[in-house]
Amino acid sequence: DTAVSQTPKYLVTQMGNDKSIKCEQNLGHDTMYWYKQDSKKFLKIMFSYNNKELIINETVPNRFSPKSPDKAHLNLHINSLELGDSAVYFCASSLPQGGGYTFGSGTRLTVV
Amino acid sequence: AQTVTQSQPEMSVQEAETVTLSCTYDTSENNYYLFWYKQPPSRQMILVIRQEAYKQQNATENRFSVNFQKAAKSFSLKISDSQLGDTAMYFCAFMIHRSQGNLIFGKGTKLSVKP
Repeated sequence: DTAVSQTPKYLVTQMGNDKSIKCEQNLGHDTMYWYKQDSKKFLKIMFSYNNKELIINETVPNRFSPKSPDKAHLNLHINSLELGDSAVYFCASSLPQGGGYTFGSGTRLTVV
Repeated sequence: AQTVTQSQPEMSVQEAETVTLSCTYDTSENNYYLFWYKQPPSRQMILVIRQEAYKQQNATENRFSVNFQKAAKSFSLKISDSQLGDTAMYFCAFMIHRSQGNLIFGKGTKLSVKP
């Protein structure tokens, strides 16, 4: 009955590979997000989707491509992985009007 | 641009005592929301408390309360009767009042509760 679920929880891969992280929410929220948490624990938004439409796209390399097949799903595909992409990636969803986010449990990506 | 500053990278407190975590923010907006999130070693981000800027009354959730000073742009978190399970990173966050908000986080405070 997880509200926001991400898979996989851990991902170890070699430089140059392409990988995807999947996210699903069963809360009926219209808005979903991807956040990146770096090695110093700093959290920064990458993308935001509202009802399958991209509304926030921060300065992120174009190797990162989000895809939202429907409002309950927001996946993150990363091409040509680099060492600097190693981080924890969080998916989240929210109600409008500042209801607060519900976060997934995060995906720890390690690029070797 | 909005910024959130947490000036205490690390803090510790004895079990059952009270601790206050500081947060200041900078914005030219008048309507916004403020949050405290907890991230224990499990990595899960957990909403602790939420404050709407137009409400003067400070939010409380059980042992957690805030001191919201809008003019000073300050939003501190007080944890009473600290428990070992409160050991975690605590993040202060800000969101402008609009339908799809970008949460802006501070750099976090690592809180250790000691037995």
